[in-house]
Amino acid sequence: AQSVTQLDSHVSVSEGTPVLLRCNYSSSYSPSLFWYVQHPNKGLQLLLKYTSAATLVKGINGFEAEFKKSETSFHLTKPSAHMSDAAEYFCVVSDRGNQGGKLIFGQGTELSVKP
Amino acid sequence: KAGVTQTPRYLIKTRGQQVTLSCSPISGHRSVSWYQQTPGQGLQFLFEYFSETQRNKGNFPGRFSGRQFSNSRSEMNVSTLELGDSALYLCASSLRVSTNTGELFFGEGSRLTVL
Repeated sequence: AQSVTQLDSHVSVSEGTPVLLRCNYSSSYSPSLFWYVQHPNKGLQLLLKYTSAATLVKGINGFEAEFKKSETSFHLTKPSAHMSDAAEYFCVVSDRGNQGGKLIFGQGTELSVKP
Repeated sequence: KAGVTQTPRYLIKTRGQQVTLSCSPISGHRSVSWYQQTPGQGLQFLFEYFSETQRNKGNFPGRFSGRQFSNSRSEMNVSTLELGDSALYLCASSLRVSTNTGELFFGEGSRLTVL
């Protein structure tokens, strides 16, 4: 079965410093992986997705993620944090199971950005 | 283009009552998925509908049910409410089945409080 583990429940950075949100996955076949962001009192928005093309995926708002099969990781990075990046981030794997499949969400990482 | 619309946004019910939540997907989207979000359990998949057919269902009791209409609008119903049903219920739509695209467009959710 597919699963994702977000290694940090909370990450705090200063504005202008790099962001690293860590995600490991478990998959019995080549996975499709995604990162979503949820700002307070809002729905989720897709940041980026990996679907077996380039291993370095660029998303919106300057975020990118690198698929590393050997490490079963899909960490999310951004070179320079902005105050507006404060939100909760979810790593997601697509589980194409026998019963129609579903997207499996990690527990989330709350990102705080200090001025 | 209008986004995903969920109604009502907030509601308060008492134990034993039932509730119906509504979701209007983005025009042209045929898939609607429902998720329950709580601080303790995170995002949990409830079910997905595509072209009026339930494709998959999460591990929730039979008190949770849903349906999709011919115009792709969807409703979910929770009967015999329990305190633990208090949560943010998120609806998401996509052009195709969620596991084929992974790109879900979320509404802002319906926040249910059970007293």
